[in-house]
Formats: sequence, structure tokens, C-alpha cells
Amino acid sequence: QKEVEQDPGPLSVPEGAIVSLNCTYSNSAFQYFMWYRQYSRKGPELLMYTYSSGNKEDGRFTAQVDKSSKYISLFIRDSQPSDSATYLCAMSLLILNQGGKLIFGQGTELSVKP
Amino acid sequence: DAMVIQNPRYQVTQFGKPVTLSCSQTLNHNVMYWYQQKSSQAPKLLFHYYDKDFNNEADTPDNFQSRRPNTSFCFLDIRSPGLGDAAMYLCATSRLGRGVFEQYFGPGTRLTVT
Repeated sequence: QKEVEQDPGPLSVPEGAIVSLNCTYSNSAFQYFMWYRQYSRKGPELLMYTYSSGNKEDGRFTAQVDKSSKYISLFIRDSQPSDSATYLCAMSLLILNQGGKLIFGQGTELSVKP
Repeated sequence: DAMVIQNPRYQVTQFGKPVTLSCSQTLNHNVMYWYQQKSSQAPKLLFHYYDKDFNNEADTPDNFQSRRPNTSFCFLDIRSPGLGDAAMYLCATSRLGRGVFEQYFGPGTRLTVT
């Protein structure tokens, strides 16, 4: 079983739709939960991060974490064609004095049609 | 602008011919990472440095080596590339501590093995 599971899609939605992206994980030791966005032929960039269970909102984006179910989600409201990208969930273990490492999901490819 | 730079962006090498990929950063971050990302797959951590301390992932093949001569530069050496090593190689940096989850990625080097 992979530590982080993410539906690879692809997901195609019309402009203005609400998008829901999801990941499940198996390691209860994960402390930080991130969403990265990766445009074609570019490196990933951090979109949002959360530390605890609950919701975190940033503009049109809402990140949700449910530690009891080991489930995280990213919601995109009023989706735009510029949101078309691959969205990667990532989990982190903080290793004292060694930095840390991210465990990524496979990524969900999202296409928002005008 | 502070950034992570990878050279070259595209690299073609022959089966078994050693190749070196380079990464430089102007962010002055302690931690540098190398990831391998194959098509439609999650980025897979190969190794990371906290300053000069090298941390190798248990499943990283011996064929992959790395050097970090100073804070700004990090190199990935593939001693004898095989066809299965064709992938995007991503370099990333982060600060130590809680900043570890915010990794800044370069644009990647796409490696082709012929």
C-alpha cells in the first residue's frame, strides 16, 4: 500500500465549476499537509499547507484535513482555465535537525474548459 | 528574484554514459533535495542535504550520487544511466525546521536516455 493515494484523473470541468481534489494516507505520523500545483513542464509550487484538522481558506482555494479519517481535500471555487494544472498532495514528517521530507501523491491532472 | 535554477533543462545521454545535472539556488536555504519524477507519477525523493549532511533514501540506486560543494550548488551524478532512468529530475530547497514543508522547486531537467 502506498503511503499517499491520490486519484490521478484526468479531471475535466467547465469554467466556474467547483473542483474537489482528494488524497488519503496511511501514516498517522504525518504532521503537515500540503497542496502543490505543477504546470506542464514546470516544477511544483506550494499552493497551501495545513497543520491541523479542519479547514483553511485562501481566496478561491480551501484545504481540508481530517486526521481521524486520514483524508485531505482541496476545493477550488469558481475554477478558471488558468487553474488547469496537475495538483499534488504532499505530506511531511519533520525530522529534527535534518530538515524533513515530503511524500507526494501521484497528482491529479485538472483541465478547466472555457 | 531569488530562485532555484537547474541546468540543463533538457539532457540527452547514451545508455551507460555518465551524466551530471546541476542545481543552484539564491535563496540561501540549508536544505536541498533531488527528486525523480516519471510521467504521471509522484516526485520520488532520491536524497537530500541538510547543509553538508547527506541523507540517502534507502531505495535510491547506487547508480545515483550527489555532491554539494557549497550552500548554493548541488549536483546529481548518474554513473551509468539506463533506459529506466529517463525522467524529470527536480531540485528543491527549503529552510530548516517548520519551513521544511515549503519547498521551492526548480523547473527540472528532463533526461532522455538513448
